[in-house]
Order: sequence, then structure tokens, then C-alpha cells
Amino acid sequence: GESVGLHLPTLSVQEGDNSIINCAYSNSASDYFIWYKQESGKGPQFIIDIRSNMDKRQGQRVTVLLNKTVKHLSLQIAATQPGDSAVYFCAETGYNAGNMLTFGGGTRLMVKP
Amino acid sequence: SAVISQKPSRDICQRGTSLTIQCQVDSQVTMMFWYRQQPGQSLTLIATANQGSEATYESGFVIDKFPISRPNLTFSTLTVSNMSPEDSSIYLCSVGTGRNGYTFGSGTRLTVV
Repeated sequence: GESVGLHLPTLSVQEGDNSIINCAYSNSASDYFIWYKQESGKGPQFIIDIRSNMDKRQGQRVTVLLNKTVKHLSLQIAATQPGDSAVYFCAETGYNAGNMLTFGGGTRLMVKP
Repeated sequence: SAVISQKPSRDICQRGTSLTIQCQVDSQVTMMFWYRQQPGQSLTLIATANQGSEATYESGFVIDKFPISRPNLTFSTLTVSNMSPEDSSIYLCSVGTGRNGYTFGSGTRLTVV
């Protein structure tokens, strides 16, 4: 089977509950942040992004929160569904990084029916 | 957003041989990125490939091991040379501008035996 997420921390939630996935980023100069979802056998898929001049952004069933003071990013998924089961990565970049993405370690989300 | 076609999707190769991975983008893009995702881990940037110039490699990656071509604004290849079992990973290409998200190919799962 696919080895993505095999050794990553795992968050297990009940279907219908809300999920919160956390990420600590490293570069205080980063000004653009993205959350990705990676399912087995696929590349990372864009979920939502946020720029450093914001502290919250909402999408469909997802919300990203940015705390620049402590360099912390979180992804909230409302009413988690089995299809949300995947590995989630945060990524950061900025002008001084040449627009190259630096990825966080990732969290595996498992949704129990 | 751009659509990327990456191939092969997977391969099993003998040690000492080389494999070339291709990425085709459906639109012209300036910057293309190549990543490695080792089993159970996050993504690590190998190099940035801009059309018309030499690829820029990250620390720990060298051109002799991972030669990259970027012949035009819609295509790039990454070669994994003189492979060893330690090269077994998922390799991904990506395009993006740093301000509107980044799109990833579906990845090439390489197993070296």
C-alpha cells in the first residue's frame, strides 16, 4: 500500500465531528501559507491559503487560522467526512524565499464512520 | 490553475540505472519545482527549474545525481541517476507563482531494487 503518512502523527476523529490540524512554521519572514491534502497515490491538492495580513480565512467546510506571534497555523474542518481521510501538510513561502515552498511535517487524518 | 501531467506514475528500477520523469503543464509557466517525498515523510525541494537557465539545487542535491531539463515553458524532466535503494521515494513536480497557490503533479513512485 501507499506509504505516505505511515510515520506521521495521526489524528483520529468521528465522522461528523470537527477536526483541527495544527502546524508550526519556521520562518518569521514567510508571508504566504497554504494547506494541502494528500490522498494515497496522489500529489498534494490545494485546500486553502492565507496571506500574512490576515489571521483567518474561511472556505467551504474549512477554516485556516494564522497566529504570526507564535508562528502557528491551523486547519479546521467542519463536519468531517470519510472522504477527508488523508495526510495534511502546511506549507510556507515568501518573497525572500524565492517563492519556494517549505513544507511542514504533515498530519494523517483518519475519519471513523 | 494549471494542470500537470506527470509520468511515469510508478516504476521499479534496478540499482545503478537511471530514470527520467517527465512533467507536462497545460499552460506556460516560468517556475517549475521538483520535490522528493521519502516514505512516510513530508516533501523536500530538490531544485527549481526556470526555462532558459540552469536549475538551482537545494542543499543536499546535486546536478550529477538529479539532472534537470527545462526546454520550454510547459515541460521539464528530472532524471534520477545511478540509482540506489535510498532513492526509493515519490518524486513530484510543481508549478506556482507564490501568490496564487501551487499545483502538483500526481507523483512518480520509484522503487529501486
